[in-house]
Amino acid sequence: DAKTTQPNSMESNEEEPVHLPCNHSTISGTDYIHWYRQLPSQGPEYVIHGLTSNVNNRMASLAIAEDRKSSTLILHRATLRDAAVYYCILSTGNQFYFGTGTSLTVIP
Amino acid sequence: DSGVTQTPKHLITATGQRVTLRCSPRSGDLSVYWYQQSLDQGLQFLIQYYNGEERAKGNILERFSAQQFPDLHSELNLSSLELGDSALYFCASSVGGLTYNEQFFGPGTRLTVL
Repeated sequence: DAKTTQPNSMESNEEEPVHLPCNHSTISGTDYIHWYRQLPSQGPEYVIHGLTSNVNNRMASLAIAEDRKSSTLILHRATLRDAAVYYCILSTGNQFYFGTGTSLTVIP
Repeated sequence: DSGVTQTPKHLITATGQRVTLRCSPRSGDLSVYWYQQSLDQGLQFLIQYYNGEERAKGNILERFSAQQFPDLHSELNLSSLELGDSALYFCASSVGGLTYNEQFFGPGTRLTVL
């Protein structure tokens, strides 16, 4: 029973914005939404997290729907170094539930 | 380099055997997390320790156990190994023990069970 669902793959042109969607329809009020990414042959790397409000940091923005049942990770200008698998994760209580990830291809 | 170290990098063993994976967290981090990444199950949270105490348990099998030592390094013990235990095992660390704390992942240990 997947807690988060993500598209398997997406493509983006270099220097274009990328919107990576995630559905988490069973989210509860205290669950956090996290995004991590995994480059080839590396461990996952933190991107951003949020609870209810939209969040921005130097890497990305996180837009959370008003009903919190979905969220979107926004990379403002994709670079070749952003090619990775992006995981949408729910943390509930002290549990972490990973989605299957979206493999992002950046086209030069 | 996240500052989290894991040893060994690779481990090849046979079914029925027991192995120990080791993790050293970033300096100052009190929490250690263990994850399993396999082709069929994806990334799964196994267990979390905070300052030596077990904080949360995920999909960890009874054949698996972990501990965190006074110097904060952690070990994941896998016993009675089966072919299906072949996977990448990641350790992560964070400053605090709360679910929203940023986690820093190590490079992983690749376990192959033959």
